Amino acid sequence: AQTVTQSQPEMSVQEAETVTLSCTYDTSESDYYLFWYKQPPSRQMILVIRQEAYKQQNATENRFSVNFQKAAKSFSLKISDSQLGDAAMYFCAYRSALSNFGNEKLTFGTGTRLTIIP
Amino acid sequence: DTEVTQTPKHLVMGMTNKKSLKCEQHMGHRAMYWYKQKAKKPPELMFVYSYEKLSINESVPSRFSPECPNSSLLNLHLHALQPEDSALYLCASSQGISPRDEQFFGPGTRLTVL
Repeated sequence: AQTVTQSQPEMSVQEAETVTLSCTYDTSESDYYLFWYKQPPSRQMILVIRQEAYKQQNATENRFSVNFQKAAKSFSLKISDSQLGDAAMYFCAYRSALSNFGNEKLTFGTGTRLTIIP
Repeated sequence: DTEVTQTPKHLVMGMTNKKSLKCEQHMGHRAMYWYKQKAKKPPELMFVYSYEKLSINESVPSRFSPECPNSSLLNLHLHALQPEDSALYLCASSQGISPRDEQFFGPGTRLTVL
């Protein structure tokens, strides 16, 4: 079974600064997908960024980028130029790359609550 | 329309009640999901329907009964719940069952069982 670990329950960052959220995972599969989801207080969970394990290039989405270290099973999220709207719970998640029935499951980490200091 | 809608937003029920949660999407997605999220915890998968067939049941107690009447609608029927079932119930949908297909989440139904 796959496990996802987020060792930082809470983080804070000054507005406009950069912050990195950590995530490690354990799997015996060679092909899989990793995700960062954002859940603002009382608002819907949304996908921030996704990484395909067979791609060596780190994914980026505007101010969000990842550092994917496959051998180390590490998948950190870097938020640059932090904004007040970035305040949320951030979940790291794992999914098998198999596209068949029974493999649709997302396995989430325990989350990191990010606070932005004005 | 890129929304997943859930009704009701809040639900309070007694342990002997029968109620239903409803989830709807009009994005043409063929996979729909129910998650349970306790306070300050990650979402836990309960059920997955793929192409209107139950694909995953994560050993959920039978007091939770999912139903997928059509490709746009997903229900969760509740009966004889326990206080520990109080949680935020999230619905999600995705285009298909490929890992490339983003899961879109609804705002959730906050359930309190008295």
